[in-house]
Amino acid sequence: ETGVTQSPTHLIKTRGQQVTLRCSSQSGHNTVSWYQQALGQGPQFIFQYYREEENGRGNFPPRFSGLQFPNYSSELNVNALELDDSALYLCASSLAFGLAGKYEQYFGPGTRLTVT
Amino acid sequence: DQQVKQNSPSLSVQEGRISILNCDYTNSMFDYFLWYKKYPAEGPTFLISISSIKDKNEDGRFTVFLNKSAKHLSLHIVPSQPGDSAVYFCAASAKTGANNLFFGTGTRLTVIP
Repeated sequence: ETGVTQSPTHLIKTRGQQVTLRCSSQSGHNTVSWYQQALGQGPQFIFQYYREEENGRGNFPPRFSGLQFPNYSSELNVNALELDDSALYLCASSLAFGLAGKYEQYFGPGTRLTVT
Repeated sequence: DQQVKQNSPSLSVQEGRISILNCDYTNSMFDYFLWYKKYPAEGPTFLISISSIKDKNEDGRFTVFLNKSAKHLSLHIVPSQPGDSAVYFCAASAKTGANNLFFGTGTRLTVIP
């Protein structure tokens, strides 16, 4: 069973640029969520995708956007980068929420983004 | 507005003793709670979870206790081992909406050999 993978591991961008981060879900999982973790903080929910549609969004501006592909892999795009976007970006995959209850989310190693 | 709080940034425990990590939450809509462990340069690793219909869940050395009336949960690790040294995050999800997680700020556990 393959776990959640993310690429790239590290990235340095300049303010105003655009960035795309990638995630491959754990085998069998059909839901992917993205989180931003600033230094010294817990992860903050950005958005979630299920069946290629956005299924929920946290308190992040529209310049944060995403995609989910038929194979359940996903991308996070951030436009007009700001210095405060410097953080660890985590992708988590899970089974879709069902009537039976909740399902744990399994995280990838993250992409460390530095905006200068 | 931090809906999940971990008020102890760090905790040091002697090897073999019990580690108790605490977490408080404010949102009464939370119905599922999880603990994650995070090593440097790695993503959070799922450890143990508990539904709001239970007050205790045990998995090996790890036990999570939930006190709904106090909106408090705790993670007990017995016996603590040096390999348990990591940052521990408490997380919660709500009855409605996306199955997204609300995280605390983490507690750094150091187990002293």
